[in-house]
Amino acid sequence: DAKTTQPNSMESNEEEPVHLPCNHSTISGTDYIHWYRQLPSQGPEYVIHGLTSNVNNRMASLAIAEDRKSSTLILHRATLRDAAVYYCILRDATNAGKSTFGDGTTLTVKP
Amino acid sequence: ETGVTQSPTHLIKTRGQQVTLRCSSQSGHNTVSWYQQALGQGPQFIFQYYREEENGRGNFPPRFSGLQFPNYSSELNVNALELDDSALYLCATTRVGSYNEQFFGPGTRLTVL
Repeated sequence: DAKTTQPNSMESNEEEPVHLPCNHSTISGTDYIHWYRQLPSQGPEYVIHGLTSNVNNRMASLAIAEDRKSSTLILHRATLRDAAVYYCILRDATNAGKSTFGDGTTLTVKP
Repeated sequence: ETGVTQSPTHLIKTRGQQVTLRCSSQSGHNTVSWYQQALGQGPQFIFQYYREEENGRGNFPPRFSGLQFPNYSSELNVNALELDDSALYLCATTRVGSYNEQFFGPGTRLTVL
């Protein structure tokens, strides 16, 4: 199964941009790259997803390397509410629903 | 609020027992997936149901089984509980036409003694 590798933890100051990296060197052609985040005592929350091109939404931006072996989630202005565990996930479009989670990056936002 | 609810919130069982966990989602959420999340780790995919049939499975033994009902609810059943089954169990649903965004429930914390 394709795996993702993320740093265990990162810190950011409030209102500064945050770049969360993810390596997925064994990604297959049918894998979508998804990002979710999880607050304590809650289920994961969808952030963004992409296949090949960079993506933007109201929460974040996703930059995907040209070879698709890595990606970066960008939070443009971190807030205290963005403190969470961020998961980079490969979701196979052909193997219905199979999502490979890593152990995530714990983001700490300092005021 | 994702509109996905799970019950019970917490559950304690002993080794060898059987357990049923429940998940309820909104109208139009026709796909449900179940995940197991051990403490300090990311969720692990158990299986997915679509139109009341299992159509995808992770590396979990057959004693993990499920059901999906026409009213957008589902169940996860685990037989012959083992100590390593202690975890947070999450269900996630997707809407018709929006396969890529999963809506997770808050989870059921299962403790096996």
